[in-house]
Amino acid sequence: DTAVSQTPKYLVTQMGNDKSIKCEQNLGHDTMYWYKQDSKKFLKIMFSYNNKELIINETVPNRFSPKSPDKAHLNLHINSLELGDSAVYFCASSQARTGMKGGPQHFGDGTRLSIL
Amino acid sequence: QKEVEQNSGPLSVPEGAIASLNCTYSDRGSQSFFWYRQYSGKSPELIMSIYSNGDKEDGRFTAQLNKASQYVSLLIRDSQPSDSATYLCAGRGGGGNKLTFGTGTQLKVEL
Repeated sequence: DTAVSQTPKYLVTQMGNDKSIKCEQNLGHDTMYWYKQDSKKFLKIMFSYNNKELIINETVPNRFSPKSPDKAHLNLHINSLELGDSAVYFCASSQARTGMKGGPQHFGDGTRLSIL
Repeated sequence: QKEVEQNSGPLSVPEGAIASLNCTYSDRGSQSFFWYRQYSGKSPELIMSIYSNGDKEDGRFTAQLNKASQYVSLLIRDSQPSDSATYLCAGRGGGGNKLTFGTGTQLKVEL
């Protein structure tokens, strides 16, 4: 059983298009995240939701809009795609712990976005 | 800016040797640290987590944390070719769930 699953795995599209990536976790975690990993393999947080509430919103263009319908799902919609958006986008989840701000994060397999 | 720094490598070690991966962090408020392994084209996979000063051992892996020196390390004993991957160090600050990742160290275990 896949713990954190993302769809699609690959996304090839043209500049200017709008696309969405979906993420679901079956670990019972209460916090989900979106990360972007660029061509230099640097992994950077974009957004985080805890029980459907946005708690981390890094400096990301407002063309990117996350949405969490429930604590098991976190989607990412991207408007007006640009060449610089080409990257691998990872979804992750974790569970908050008493006395700490969350347990380890578990990652999905990633969505490889290529902008033509 | 709060950072986590790693030497990008590649770090080459012979099979059977101990691989030592190092990480420093700038946020003194960081409370939790994690080591992830990432094979090429794959997702990061959690190997170790460490929350307090000292050593934590799990099989062939030992994580070490020194908060005074703001230093985290990962030792891999009896290195195998299958350990060849990029190892990401991540720290979580005291203010929330945000993980800050280093740029990763590429490890090559040679036959």
